[in-house]
Amino acid sequence: GQSLEQPSEVTAVEGAIVQINCTYQTSGFYGLSWYQQHDGGAPTFLSYNALDGLEETGRFSSFLSRSDSYGYLLLQELQMKDSASYFCAVRDPGRGTASKLTFGTGTRLQVTL
Amino acid sequence: GAVVSQHPSWVICKSGTSVKIECRSLDFQATTMFWYRQFPKQSLMLMATSNEGSKATYEQGVEKDKFLINHASLTLSTLTVTSAHPEDSSFYICSASGRAFGELFFGEGSRLTVL
Repeated sequence: GQSLEQPSEVTAVEGAIVQINCTYQTSGFYGLSWYQQHDGGAPTFLSYNALDGLEETGRFSSFLSRSDSYGYLLLQELQMKDSASYFCAVRDPGRGTASKLTFGTGTRLQVTL
Repeated sequence: GAVVSQHPSWVICKSGTSVKIECRSLDFQATTMFWYRQFPKQSLMLMATSNEGSKATYEQGVEKDKFLINHASLTLSTLTVTSAHPEDSSFYICSASGRAFGELFFGEGSRLTVL
């Protein structure tokens, strides 16, 4: 099976930087994805790391260390609208091009003034 | 704009009735769609993989006779919750694969409340 652990909650002030960690245990590994979900809404794709290192997309960056089975999402210049739940996810092996994902436990980020 | 559309966005029904949720891919063909369920403040749990023209693949612990999935065309998958009970009240979300590995497009979700 596959399991992904995240901190349940994180609080940070507007303008700050916050890091959301994800540790995983998987049978086979095909990359780590990150999704954002606002209350009552659908998840939206943020980033994907297949190889070790840092991927940057605007204010958001995602990091992966396959040897440590660890990744994180870094959010810079926090804005109030970043308050949401964030999920890491891994792709199920052996599924070809169909991206069946297993999601982490989720981290609820609260941005305050 | 949205690439996956889900309907209805919310539904309230009486215990014992059946509810159908539709998931459509817009402007692209989805041979595979995924149905997730999410309880309040919890993660997304995969229920089943919907395959166009063939039977759905259900995850362990998901009753296939209770959660009927039909994927009759390349743009439409439906989930029917049969004989719904209050414990079936949840947020049901469908998704389809994007172009990149690890990317899923999600529908808007359907919030089901069973009284």
